[in-house]
Amino acid sequence: DSGVTQTPKHLITATGQRVTLRCSPRSGDLSVYWYQQSLDQGLQFLIQYYNGEERAKGNILERFSAQQFPDLHSELNLSSLELGDSALYFCASSGRQASTLGSTDTQYFGPGTRLTVL
Amino acid sequence: AQSVTQPDIHITVSEGASLELRCNYSYGATPYLFWYVQSPGQGLQLLLKYFSGDTLVQGIKGFEAEFKRSQSSFNLRKPSVHWSDAAEYFCAVGGGILTGGGNKLTFGTGTQLKVEL
Repeated sequence: DSGVTQTPKHLITATGQRVTLRCSPRSGDLSVYWYQQSLDQGLQFLIQYYNGEERAKGNILERFSAQQFPDLHSELNLSSLELGDSALYFCASSGRQASTLGSTDTQYFGPGTRLTVL
Repeated sequence: AQSVTQPDIHITVSEGASLELRCNYSYGATPYLFWYVQSPGQGLQLLLKYFSGDTLVQGIKGFEAEFKRSQSSFNLRKPSVHWSDAAEYFCAVGGGILTGGGNKLTFGTGTQLKVEL
């Protein structure tokens, strides 16, 4: 158990809908990362938040957005869903100390949320 | 841009045999390198990591990896494979402070390991 929790575990929805995925980082971790794992794209970095602020952005679609709340949990919002958005979405956390930001952070991954768009 | 190549998509080994999974990276400076394992329906578990220092790093479950800067490689090894090692293995590179404040991981495409009894 990595200490990172993600809910829900599975999500089935229809095209055009909007969903919210939730992540709770390890206790004390300040950074949260979102990754997408799909058969055609593999594991891809979406976005990173550090202590409530966006820190880095990857190949995240404009239909997707994220935020990190004061209690450090994070939510990934996916809207106008398409069939191709079906994937496993992982959250990871790192950085229990402010001084480790951007240095040798080790990312610990949650179990993922499997999204199926029908 | 950073990238990771895992040239073997599938590998099959017999239980008790040795294992080596290949990983090559491309990065403009000293990389931070990781191996993660993913069992079916599970998340990614960290096996080991290399930041600096000794180029041979030990991880969990009896795995080790060797960083070879001249070959841009970070191959994962295990002297004797157990049936429970069957899983998908991912090599990843992170840029640390050189990524402009971010710390994203770039993953390879993974190697699926099958263990024959």
